[in-house]
Amino acid sequence: EVQLVESGGGLVKPGGSLRLSCAASGFTFSSYSMNWVRQAPGKGLEWVSSISSSSSYIYYADSVKGRFTISRDNAKNSLYLQMNSLRAEDTAVYYCAREGRGPTYYFDYWGQGTLVTVSS
Amino acid sequence: QSALTQPPSASGSPGQSVTISCTGTSSDVGGYNYVSWYQQHPGKAPKLMIYEVSKRPSGVPDRFSGSKSGNTASLTVSGLQAEDEADYYCSSYAGSNTHYVFGTGTKVTVL
Repeated sequence: EVQLVESGGGLVKPGGSLRLSCAASGFTFSSYSMNWVRQAPGKGLEWVSSISSSSSYIYYADSVKGRFTISRDNAKNSLYLQMNSLRAEDTAVYYCAREGRGPTYYFDYWGQGTLVTVSS
Repeated sequence: QSALTQPPSASGSPGQSVTISCTGTSSDVGGYNYVSWYQQHPGKAPKLMIYEVSKRPSGVPDRFSGSKSGNTASLTVSGLQAEDEADYYCSSYAGSNTHYVFGTGTKVTVL
């Protein structure tokens, strides 16, 4: 059974940093591109970042470019999101999502999400 | 990159059909056959319902179907059931720079 479990969320002050983790199990993690998608309270979904299976290709939404860094450790079956210079508008539930087996573009499995609150 | 446009709400009685539209541009919906649809119940993670415009993942009822014409994609839920009441989001690949764009979301109510 595919499982994605996010952790690392919490309350952080504006300008602060936070590192999210996503532990994957039930599939060959190193064979899939992975993504972070966020959802502000009461709002819609927003794609944040993608990383290919071997970390060769990395993409960011304009809203986080230069502040967030996605990475992965295939030996540990883990995905990460380093978030720096956090702003109030980064407050959201952050989901880890697996991309379908390529070449394709959709998210076939999602984690339960971790809440990040940026507030003073 | 702007979000794809969806109607804020849609509704139908049990057994009826409801269709949700998702309007983008030639740079996203119209340019690629990579439209997907997600169902989200309150407090839960999104669930994939349709991918590559009209394909259904294993386990998704065939009451759910997808299509696309030009820059607009559609999700149809036939034979509405109480458990179909949820928020629905479309998504499209939007090229190597933007990568993904989501729709604004549609709340489906089963009357």
